[in-house]
Amino acid sequence: GNSVTQMEGPVTLSEEAFLTINCTYTATGYPSLFWYVQYPGEGLQLLLKATKADDKGSNKGFEATYRKETTSFHLEKGSVQVSDSAVYFCALRSGSGANSKLTFGKGITLSVRP
Amino acid sequence: EAGVTQSPTHLIKTRGQQATLRCSPISGHTSVYWYQQALGLGLQFLLWYDEGEERNRGNFPPRFSGRQFPNYSSELNVNALELEDSALYLCASSPRVLAGSGDTQYFGPGTRLTVL
Repeated sequence: GNSVTQMEGPVTLSEEAFLTINCTYTATGYPSLFWYVQYPGEGLQLLLKATKADDKGSNKGFEATYRKETTSFHLEKGSVQVSDSAVYFCALRSGSGANSKLTFGKGITLSVRP
Repeated sequence: EAGVTQSPTHLIKTRGQQATLRCSPISGHTSVYWYQQALGLGLQFLLWYDEGEERNRGNFPPRFSGRQFPNYSSELNVNALELEDSALYLCASSPRVLAGSGDTQYFGPGTRLTVL
């Protein structure tokens, strides 16, 4: 079955530090890959997505590249801000119709200190 | 445009009771998904409704059930509540699922269910 593995957290960084959050996946077929973010007290928001190999998703300074050869979709940001403190979820979706559902990683908490 | 809304925000029940959670999707969206976010377990897929029918369900016992109404809003019912049902329940919506898997799901703020 499908699965998503995220690096263990939590992660604490200083403002303006470089961020990498690792995500690898196992899936049948050709999945679409997503990063969702959950700010404190809120629901999930789509941060970025990529639907095929070598696609790069980007939003709010975050980037992730769909790497089929390494089955990875690592999230990066060059300079984090305090407002980036949140929980980040990697997810995939494959198949179509009734078999198509999102599979999430466990999430990782990012804390950015001033 | 209004986003996905959920009610209530918080719900406190005792073991053995029933809980009903509600979700209104974004206007024009016909698919509604329910997820359970329990501490330490991440997000687990519960149920998916589209056009009033259950399309798929996750690995949860039958006491988790739901329905979708003609206006595409949805209800999640949890019967015979157990302590481990305490979690944040998230609802998401999307347009009708097409052949591709890149459809985006839009999430509501969640209902925090506490079982005492």
